[in-house]
Amino acid sequence: AQKVTQAQTEISVVEKEDVTLDCVYETRDTTYYLFWYKQPPSGELVFLIRRNSFDEQNEISGRYSWNFQKSTSSFNFTITASQVVDSAVYFCALGPILTGGGNKLTFGTGTQLKVEL
Amino acid sequence: GAVVSQHPSRVICKSGTSVKIECRSLDFQATTMFWYRQFPKQSLMLMATSNEGSKATYEQGVEKDKFLINHASLTLSTLTVTSAHPEDSSFYICSASSDRGWTDTQYFGPGTRLTVL
Repeated sequence: AQKVTQAQTEISVVEKEDVTLDCVYETRDTTYYLFWYKQPPSGELVFLIRRNSFDEQNEISGRYSWNFQKSTSSFNFTITASQVVDSAVYFCALGPILTGGGNKLTFGTGTQLKVEL
Repeated sequence: GAVVSQHPSRVICKSGTSVKIECRSLDFQATTMFWYRQFPKQSLMLMATSNEGSKATYEQGVEKDKFLINHASLTLSTLTVTSAHPEDSSFYICSASSDRGWTDTQYFGPGTRLTVL
């Protein structure tokens, strides 16, 4: 069975602080995808990143960075110099690597990030 | 690229009526579409997976006759909530993925908030 744990239910930071959102996963698959999605108050889930299990390179995109540690089954997400617009619920998700697309995702319970002035 | 739309964004209906929600992939052909339900401050719950031209696969506990799903074309899937009752009130989100180009990444629509009076 697959499982994604986001232990942090809610995080509050002051603008310009760095913040890390934790994600720990469980799977018996040897290859898999990991995702992060952002859900702002408007409700739409915005795709942020997809990482496959055989690529453990960390990734940086602007103020966002992701740390994938296969040894600890973690895929943490760091926002540097947070801004009020980063306030949202962030979901980590796990999915199999299968041909043909259409693969079901297992979502974590989400972390509500509040960035205050 | 990878834009998914949903219509309507918000609907209020009387108990006993049926409501249809449309999900469209605007700039890619979606071989698979997913329907989720989300309760306030909770994660996404997968309701069903639909592949173009075939019957949807429903998750355990989801009533097929209650939530009718049609995926008639590569860019359109519809969810019909039949004989809606107040307990069906929720936020419904669709996503789409393709086996061409953006394999294994689900792109989400903006969601539909259903309120049944």
